[in-house]
Amino acid sequence: GEDVEQSPFLSVREGDSSVINCTYTDSSSTYLYWYKQEPGAGLQLLTYIFSNMDMKQDQRLTVLLNKKDKHLSLRIADTQTGDSAIYFCAEKLDNYGQNFVFGPGTRLSVLP
Amino acid sequence: DTAVSQTPKYLVTQMGNDKSIKCEQNLGHDTMYWYKQDSKKFLKIMFSYNNKELIINETVPNRFSPKSPDKAHLNLHINSLELGDSAVYFCASSQEEGASYGYTFGSGTRLTVV
Repeated sequence: GEDVEQSPFLSVREGDSSVINCTYTDSSSTYLYWYKQEPGAGLQLLTYIFSNMDMKQDQRLTVLLNKKDKHLSLRIADTQTGDSAIYFCAEKLDNYGQNFVFGPGTRLSVLP
Repeated sequence: DTAVSQTPKYLVTQMGNDKSIKCEQNLGHDTMYWYKQDSKKFLKIMFSYNNKELIINETVPNRFSPKSPDKAHLNLHINSLELGDSAVYFCASSQEEGASYGYTFGSGTRLTVV
């Protein structure tokens, strides 16, 4: 069945770049997403990429999609302490349905 | 400045009880949803409301009844709770119904039926 995998933890120094990786299994996914969750809060949509794109840039965020390998990454440039959170990769399973599969999340710790 | 908030975060209750989960969004979105998460992180849609009107009602037992008093609120009421109802329930909202790029989710309510 569908599955999304992520490494559980990532630590970086403030000012460095962070790269959070994700692999997914459903090749029919049309949209892939990155969500951010801060303590006690909900899942905030950070960015998304349509499956026919290879890359999307949005200010400090760069999303790379390798559809052949089913690999998605999120790069955060100039990482700040406010970026410390759990980051979830998610895929929408088809264009017309509204079901999602989320990864287990990567906890990003930004060290001063 | 919480975008989508749901309460309670945890709910432990006995079989046969009736319980409600509340959801509110302050994003000005027109559409709200309830999702049920299974153990593999799969979020399956249960209901979708657009401007207080029911749009999607997937195959969900009649014991589950959503109520939307206004477009910023969508509550989920569950009657006669069963052990199999134990799961994490997520509320979400989007500007348009079915918008693939704009879902915001709450933090989830973990329901445990004992």
